Amino acid sequence: SQTIHQWPATLVQPVGSPLSLECTVEGTSNPNLYWYRQAAGRGLQLLFYSVGIGQISSEVPQNLSASRPQDRQFILSSKKLLLSDSGFYLCAWGTSYEQYFGPGTRLTVT
Amino acid sequence: AQKVTQAQTEISVVEKEDVTLDCVYETRDTTYYLFWYKQPPSGELVFLIRRNSFDEQNEISGRYSWNFQKSTSSFNFTITASQVVDSAVYFCALSEPLLYSGGGADGLTFGKGTHLIIQP
Repeated sequence: SQTIHQWPATLVQPVGSPLSLECTVEGTSNPNLYWYRQAAGRGLQLLFYSVGIGQISSEVPQNLSASRPQDRQFILSSKKLLLSDSGFYLCAWGTSYEQYFGPGTRLTVT
Repeated sequence: AQKVTQAQTEISVVEKEDVTLDCVYETRDTTYYLFWYKQPPSGELVFLIRRNSFDEQNEISGRYSWNFQKSTSSFNFTITASQVVDSAVYFCALSEPLLYSGGGADGLTFGKGTHLIIQP
């Protein structure tokens, strides 16, 4: 069966510091991968998606970037965090028909 | 552009009451999928149901039921005889298959969620 991992589970970072969140999927090959963010009081917003290694599409302009160095690895990064980057970050795999979400990373930027 | 509206930010009911969570969506496509997810305090999203745009049959699963009406672009979710364990944030979401959307992301567009509180 497929499993999706995210780490760290929680993170507190100061403004201006870098960020790296990791997502890995097990039990499937060449998955579509997604990064969503849930800001306080708001729904989940699609940030990035990837259909293959090195292929990244961004849905909204922002301070973040994503990379897919391996088939089942998806990384969310920032060079300098902003207060507005705080939120709950969820990685998912699947398609428009079905998506499976990881446990999420709660990021607090102070 | 696609949009999902969950007008109810928070609902509080007493256990055993029935409760309906509203969801209204907007899309220009004729082929799309609608979803409901549950998010307990742990944060992980739990898949509840998926409907495609060609299937307007209502669905019942135990105490849960869903009413899909294309005429009003609504996909409402009802919990019958609510229980404390139903307390969570519930999200309605919409997706359009890339094949039909003409490109772009095939990720989900979520509503802002409804925080459901079931009081004992």
